[in-house]
Amino acid sequence: DIQMTQSPASLSVSVGETVTITCRASENIYSNLAWYQQKQGKSPQLLVYAATNLADGVPSRFSGSGSGTQYSLKINSLQSEDFGSYYCQHFWGTPWTFGGGTKLEIK
Amino acid sequence: EVQLQQSGPELEKPGASVKISCKASGYSFTGYNMNWVKQSNGKSLEWIGNIDPYYGGTSYNQKFKGKATLTVDKSSSTAYMQLKSLTSEDSAVYYCARETTGFAYWGQGTLVTVSA
Repeated sequence: DIQMTQSPASLSVSVGETVTITCRASENIYSNLAWYQQKQGKSPQLLVYAATNLADGVPSRFSGSGSGTQYSLKINSLQSEDFGSYYCQHFWGTPWTFGGGTKLEIK
Repeated sequence: EVQLQQSGPELEKPGASVKISCKASGYSFTGYNMNWVKQSNGKSLEWIGNIDPYYGGTSYNQKFKGKATLTVDKSSSTAYMQLKSLTSEDSAVYYCARETTGFAYWGQGTLVTVSA
């Protein structure tokens, strides 16, 4: 199985700051990667697919990048509604595993 | 509007089975694979498997083979997941999610609690 190592596990930041979350795959996943945001008690929401494509309705302050085994989600000018947990997921060969998550908290 | 409406919370005893449902609306049910995802106690997410509603073909995470069985009822646009031989390790929130490029649509989740 492909392992997805996500970092950091938690992050305390202020509104207006820029944040980068990274995900490293145990092998090349050829940009078959998605990012999700999850608020407490809610279902995950798709932010980015195919490593760099924003899902419908996702604000442009979010961006995805990366290739091979290394991927990043960047959030520019963090807003209060951006706090929650973030997960990466690969889609290169089943099982489609998720990263361990990053909890983004308000400083 | 695409909607995935899951069945309500379940409380089961160890050793029992449970079948949860995910009713789809707002799109052609047979046009997209349905996936199931487990989230234990606010922790990370685990992909259980998926089913092609048109042909009924399934793909399972090896970890959940023998534990989960995925089925569909095309006539009611509903996907089902049965979990058998429940233990405390199966206590979790289970989500259905429609597959496109990424999981763009998710159900609201079904909490399964296994307790004697």
